[in-house]
Amino acid sequence: NAGVTQTPKFQVLKTGQSMTLQCAQDMNHNSMYWYRQDPGMGLRLIYYSASEGTTDKGEVPNGYNVSRLNKREFSLRLESAAPSQTSVYFCASSGTGGLYGYTFGSGTRLTVV
Amino acid sequence: GQQLNQSPQSMFIQEGEDVSMNCTSSSIFNTWLWYKQDPGEGPVLLIALYKAGELTSNGRLTAQFGITRKDSFLNISASIPSDVGIYFCAALNYGGSQGNLIFGKGTKLSVKP
Repeated sequence: NAGVTQTPKFQVLKTGQSMTLQCAQDMNHNSMYWYRQDPGMGLRLIYYSASEGTTDKGEVPNGYNVSRLNKREFSLRLESAAPSQTSVYFCASSGTGGLYGYTFGSGTRLTVV
Repeated sequence: GQQLNQSPQSMFIQEGEDVSMNCTSSSIFNTWLWYKQDPGEGPVLLIALYKAGELTSNGRLTAQFGITRKDSFLNISASIPSDVGIYFCAALNYGGSQGNLIFGKGTKLSVKP
């Protein structure tokens, strides 16, 4: 009954440090997504993976990389963190095409100082 | 690109009042969704709409898929304190060319007991 699990829940990084946000889903969904949420900006798509083995850029991909490790797992990497990447990050998954909507994780709150 | 204009941006209401919010676009969609995000959590799907003119209820929530397919509305009747949160509209053209769920910027609802 886990749905979409994100780790960690909170993280503080220094400018220039790197880190990987982990996401796993247990719903056998084909598609997975990474969003960032900033006040007044809503949810902005960073990268997505329509199916295992494929990844594509979303609206705000700069400064990020992703890996679709297998059908269950989709990770987001910040190679050199910047203060502008301070945000709340959400992973989501869906069946193909997203007809029944996306299921979201509970988020990772990242602060870059 | 495609955009969803969600209004109002925020609402501060008394407990027991009814709430209305809407989402409009210049583009046509064949799927409209409404999500709620509780503080510190990821968005959770409330209602999904798949047909122009469709009216769907989920408890005290009622949503409608606009006849023009360019808008959707969400009403909450007799609001209670646990209705507090951010409500997002989202839209999709399922079955078309690869297109992901597009989100509005959200309506932040505050309820005064």
